[in-house]
This record gives sequence, C-alpha cells and structure tokens, in this order.
Amino acid sequence: NSKVIQTPRYLVKGQGQKAKMRCIPEKGHPVVFWYQQNKNNEFKFLINFQNQEVLQQIDMTEKRFSAECPSNSPCSLEIQSSEAGDSALYLCASSLAGNSDYTFGSGTRLLVI
Amino acid sequence: GEKVEQHESTLSVREGDSAVINCTYTDTASSYFPWYKQEAGKSLHFVIDIRSNVDRKQSQRLIVLLDKKAKRFSLHITATQPEDSAIYFCAASTAGFASALTFGSGTKVIPCLP
Repeated sequence: NSKVIQTPRYLVKGQGQKAKMRCIPEKGHPVVFWYQQNKNNEFKFLINFQNQEVLQQIDMTEKRFSAECPSNSPCSLEIQSSEAGDSALYLCASSLAGNSDYTFGSGTRLLVI
Repeated sequence: GEKVEQHESTLSVREGDSAVINCTYTDTASSYFPWYKQEAGKSLHFVIDIRSNVDRKQSQRLIVLLDKKAKRFSLHITATQPEDSAIYFCAASTAGFASALTFGSGTKVIPCLP
C-alpha cells in the first residue's frame, strides 16, 4: 500500500466543470509533486511544493489549474474548467530530499466527458 | 530541458531469458535515475534506482547500468517471469532540490512461454 494517499481514485466531470483531487504526502516528506500521465503514457510535470510554498509550475498549471498544500490538510489540485484533453491519470508524489526517492500515490483517474 | 528517450516500446521475452530496456538522457546534470513498473490500470511502482556516483546496481533479478559518458542507462530483468509483465518507465532528475522527474515513454514487457 502506498504511503502517499490520493483521493478520489476516479473522477468523472463534464466539460467546463471543476475537478478537484487530493493528496496526503508521505509523513515527513516536505516536497510534493503533481504529474499528469495521458493515455499515450506521456508524463507531464505540473507543479511542486515545499511545504506550503509553490516551487515550480508549468504554464498550463498557471492558467487553468490551481494547487495548494495547506499545513495540516491534504494537498489539492483543482482544474477550474475541465476540458476533454484533461482526461488523464493524475499522480502525486512526495520526497524527503526533493530530488530522489520519490513515493507515488495510486493516482486519480479523471475522465472529462 | 531534460529529455529522456526510451528506445524499446515493446519487448517480447521468453520466460527465463533476460529483458533489457535502454534509455538515454540529455542533461549532463542528471544524477538520479529511477525505474518504475506500471501494471494495467494501476499507478507507478518503484522497482530500482541508480545514482550517478555508481555505474551498476542490482536488486534480486534486476540490474541497472549507468554509462555517464554515453548518457545512457539500462534495466536488465534477468530470468523473466510472468509477473514481470507490465510497462516499465525510466526517469531522470538532477541534483537540484525539488527536481522534477523526466520520464521516458515506457516499454511494455511481454513474457512469453519458452
């Protein structure tokens, strides 16, 4: 069982709807990453945090995605207005050192219809 | 930015034989190279990793080799078993703090009867 807990496992949304997923990182891991894996098995890094601070994010994330990692609450990734192209597996990972030994969660599979 | 190329998209291997998956990377600053296994409909499962201060690492039936000059690393699955059936992804990250992983495109390993 993964030490990174992601919920929900599956999410179905209509186009234009908000989609929100959550991640509890492994205990003691200060760095959290979000990745998107599309149906072609291509991975895209979205955003990462150190504790509550955003460290890096890609353009796509800045425009339609919002993410946060509040203290004492799960991290979350929200798509403001879902598009069909957002259908993918969203993976959360955490790391103690921030550059190795990443622990991945089970993922949230989003389907936008 | 970093690019990781995974050369084999599918690998059919007779059970008992070795499977070899090759990856190349572009960023000389990359220093951490993990491998993940993904079974159908599931998440990534860590299998083995190698850091740039060594050129070989073994964990049971898995061997990973790193050639920093050629910017190439490879996963060897020895004595392939039916349970090795999955998609394997290579990845790389640099030593910088909070460095994101760059993934290869995946190799589907298909063990077949000897």
